[in-house]
Amino acid sequence: QSVLTQPPSVSAAPGQKVTISCSGSSSNIGNNYVSWYQQLPGTAPKLLIYDNDKRPSGTPDRFSGSKSGTSATLGITGLQTGDEADYYCGTWDDSLSGVVFGGGTKLTVL
Amino acid sequence: EVQLVQSGGGLVQPGGSLRLSCAASGSTFSSYWMNWVRQAPGKGLEWVANINQDGSEKHYLVSGRGRFTISRDNAKNSLYLQMNSLRVEDTAVYYCVRALFAANTYWGQGTLVTVSS
Repeated sequence: QSVLTQPPSVSAAPGQKVTISCSGSSSNIGNNYVSWYQQLPGTAPKLLIYDNDKRPSGTPDRFSGSKSGTSATLGITGLQTGDEADYYCGTWDDSLSGVVFGGGTKLTVL
Repeated sequence: EVQLVQSGGGLVQPGGSLRLSCAASGSTFSSYWMNWVRQAPGKGLEWVANINQDGSEKHYLVSGRGRFTISRDNAKNSLYLQMNSLRVEDTAVYYCVRALFAANTYWGQGTLVTVSS
């Protein structure tokens, strides 16, 4: 049972748009920045978004992040088959004094 | 180029101990918070512990408190995780991660820890 709640799976067709939600509470998302990670099969996770909505160099602008209250959202436009991966949100939790992740969302590009 | 090279994983019996190491190169190791993140087979990411730049501040996953100890040696550009009283549920790939939430984050290649009799 993860502290942050993500949908287990999402799917969409190539070229379409998809959003992945991440729901938390005032002690984590509500009071801290959110990051998003992409994990391709058999590889280490890769940072996609940090500080809620910033893209590190190398992240295409097809990926976007936003936060409102105690929830965050990852958006992906112009879906490609190469985007098929597991996506995780993460942030600091003030009550736990630790990092918390969502359970992960598997993206399928049909 | 930044590299985090991990070592020390393997098979250990329940109740046993293991020490993971992470050797950093290509950057100023002492400037960054360092983390250990694990992933059980077929499961999601789980943060284990982190340590600040000079080692004076440490935080742990609740289930790891009292069993796991994170440490660093800035002179050797190395991060460590001492794991004692290991349980079957500690079985996972363990990743060493630099600056988990920053733009210049880096992940190690991961090392598998298997706790089994």
